[in-house]
Amino acid sequence: AQKVTQAQTEISVVEKEDVTLDCVYETRDTTYYLFWYKQPPSGELVFLIRRNSFDEQNEISGRYSWNFQKSTSSFNFTITASQVVDSAVYFCALTLYSSASKIIFGSGTRLSIRP
Amino acid sequence: KAGVTQTPRYLIKTRGQQVTLSCSPISGHRSVSWYQQTPGQGLQFLFEYFSETQRNKGNFPGRFSGRQFSNSRSEMNVSTLELGDSALYLCASSLESGGIRTDTQYFGPGTRLTVL
Repeated sequence: AQKVTQAQTEISVVEKEDVTLDCVYETRDTTYYLFWYKQPPSGELVFLIRRNSFDEQNEISGRYSWNFQKSTSSFNFTITASQVVDSAVYFCALTLYSSASKIIFGSGTRLSIRP
Repeated sequence: KAGVTQTPRYLIKTRGQQVTLSCSPISGHRSVSWYQQTPGQGLQFLFEYFSETQRNKGNFPGRFSGRQFSNSRSEMNVSTLELGDSALYLCASSLESGGIRTDTQYFGPGTRLTVL
């Protein structure tokens, strides 16, 4: 069975600090996708990034960066110089190539950025 | 391009009633999936529709059903509502064209259902 674990339930940092959200996944399949979504208070899930299981290259997008390590089954997300607008719940998620429509979500990490 | 839209945004029902939620996918997207989000269970996959056919299903009772129309719009129905059905119901669409799936789902704002 597949599983996504986000051990950090809540994180609170002061604005401009860097923060890393951890994600560990479990699957026996060798072909899968990993995702991060952001859920602001409005409720809509906002897509941030997708990586496939064959691409372990780290990715940077502005203040956001992602570290994918198959050896530790982790897909961590770092926000550099955090801002109040980054406050939201962040979900890590997994889909298999064989059933790509079915997203398995982690329990989410609530990130609060204090001014 | 307009995003995924869901109607209504808020709904209050009483136990035993039934409810229908609607989802319009991003233009050109043919796959529509539904998810239930509750504080206790988190985000859980309900089902997915493609070309008017249910292609994948989660572990929910038969009271939860859905359908998709020829224009890719989708509805989900919950019959005989229970208190535990109170949740945020999210719809997502993804592009699938020429046999190629992008496998990235884009979500709507959700319908918040409260069962009293």
